[in-house]
Amino acid sequence: DVKVTQSSRYLVKRTGEKVFLECVQDMDHENMFWYRQDPGLGLRLIYFSYDVKMKEKGDIPEGYSVSREKKERFSLILESASTNQTSMYLCASSSTRGAFSYNEQFFGPGTRLTVL
Amino acid sequence: AQTVTQSQPEMSVQEAETVTLSCTYDTSENNYYLFWYKQPPSRQMILVIRQEAYKQQNATENRFSVNFQKAAKSFSLKISDSQLGDTAMYFCAFMNPRYNQGGKLIFGQGTELSVKP
Repeated sequence: DVKVTQSSRYLVKRTGEKVFLECVQDMDHENMFWYRQDPGLGLRLIYFSYDVKMKEKGDIPEGYSVSREKKERFSLILESASTNQTSMYLCASSSTRGAFSYNEQFFGPGTRLTVL
Repeated sequence: AQTVTQSQPEMSVQEAETVTLSCTYDTSENNYYLFWYKQPPSRQMILVIRQEAYKQQNATENRFSVNFQKAAKSFSLKISDSQLGDTAMYFCAFMNPRYNQGGKLIFGQGTELSVKP
C-alpha cells in the first residue's frame, strides 16, 4: 500500500516564525503536491514537484516555498508565518506513467496549522 | 481555466437510504478525468470513484455510482444503502492529465454528508 506521511498532525506557531511542513512517501512516486484546505474553498494547490529539485507554482503559491532534495521527501516552507496561513495542509503523491495517463494521487493525513 | 462547483455545502440522509451529491465543472478540454474523494473525520482522503471523460458508461464501485453528463458538464455521486461509515466530507475533483505535471487536481468546495441512524 502507498503510504504518505506528514511530520505533524497538529502544529501551533507564532506570527513571523519560519515553519517547515514535511511530507514523505514510500512508493517511489515522481510527483508530489502540497494543498491547502479551507472550509468552503475545498483544496487548493500551493506547489507541486514532478522530479527531484523541480518545482512548479500552483494556484496559491504566495507566502510559501518548497524544497525537494530527495525523491521521497517534499517540504513546504512558510518563511514568515502569518495568521492567514492558519489552515489544514495536505500532501499528496502520484506516479508518472506517460503522456495523458491517469495518475491517482494518494494523500497524507494532513497537518492542521494554527498561527497565533 | 477549469473550475469545479459543489453547490450543496451540507446534506444528510437516513441510514439505508440513497443520496445524490451534485457537482458541475467547466472546461474546454475534451480529455480529462473526474473523481470523487471522501474525507472522513480521520482526515485521510480516500478515492471513492473515478470517471474517464472519453467513456460514456457511468462508473460504479459497489454502493457508489456516478451520473456523468459530459455535454452538461455534470458529475453527480449516488450513494445507495447509506451506512454510518459514509459520514464524511465529499470532494469532487477534475484532472487534466499532462505529461510531467502529474495531472493537477482541481477540487470543488466539498459537501459534508451526515448519515443518521
